[in-house]
Amino acid sequence: GENVEQHPSTLSVQEGDSAVIKCTYSDSASNYFPWYKQELGKGPQLIIDIRSNVGEKKDQRIAVTLNKTAKHFSLHITETQPEDSAVYFCAAPRIYGGSQGNLIFGKGTKLSVKP
Amino acid sequence: NAGVMQNPRHLVRRRGQEARLRCSPMKGHSHVYWYRQLPEEGLKFMVYLQKENIIDESGMPKERFSAEFPKEGPSILRIQQVVRGDSAAYFCASSPQGSSGNTIYFGEGSWLTVV
Repeated sequence: GENVEQHPSTLSVQEGDSAVIKCTYSDSASNYFPWYKQELGKGPQLIIDIRSNVGEKKDQRIAVTLNKTAKHFSLHITETQPEDSAVYFCAAPRIYGGSQGNLIFGKGTKLSVKP
Repeated sequence: NAGVMQNPRHLVRRRGQEARLRCSPMKGHSHVYWYRQLPEEGLKFMVYLQKENIIDESGMPKERFSAEFPKEGPSILRIQQVVRGDSAAYFCASSPQGSSGNTIYFGEGSWLTVV
């Protein structure tokens, strides 16, 4: 079945360093890849997304890259700050038997930024 | 500009009772989605609704769970005869009227505890 794999499950970095989280997807027809940030006790917040017609998208310290051939996409956070500490989720749409808004999520990466 | 509003934020139910979770989408949004997040796991799609219509319920358990989005008022996720395994965070998301993509925005969630 369709699947989204996310690595690593935990990531600890020093403040100011970069953090990279990677996801792979199984369905080559997938065309939309969002990233969400979830703080403890809160809902997931959309931080950046990319569509399959571009290879990279950047928004200040956050960037996402997409490799359609290899079927993987990555989140890059530069100059990390303690407030970046959270759980990050990647997702991809369910193609077969799914509708809009029916996303398959990775299991999450807990990012800790040490001051 | 209010986001997706969910209530209650926390709910405790005894086994066998009913739980009702409410969701009001963002202003201008007419598509509503419900997701469930079990402890230490990613989000799982449950159902996609438009006003008075269930569009995709492929993620809903076959028994005890139902959802509606009436012409007036919030969307409701109803869980009858709750069991301990229903303890989870339930997130509602919405997307704009007329959208056909997968960009969805989540609320802050309703945490259900079954004792």
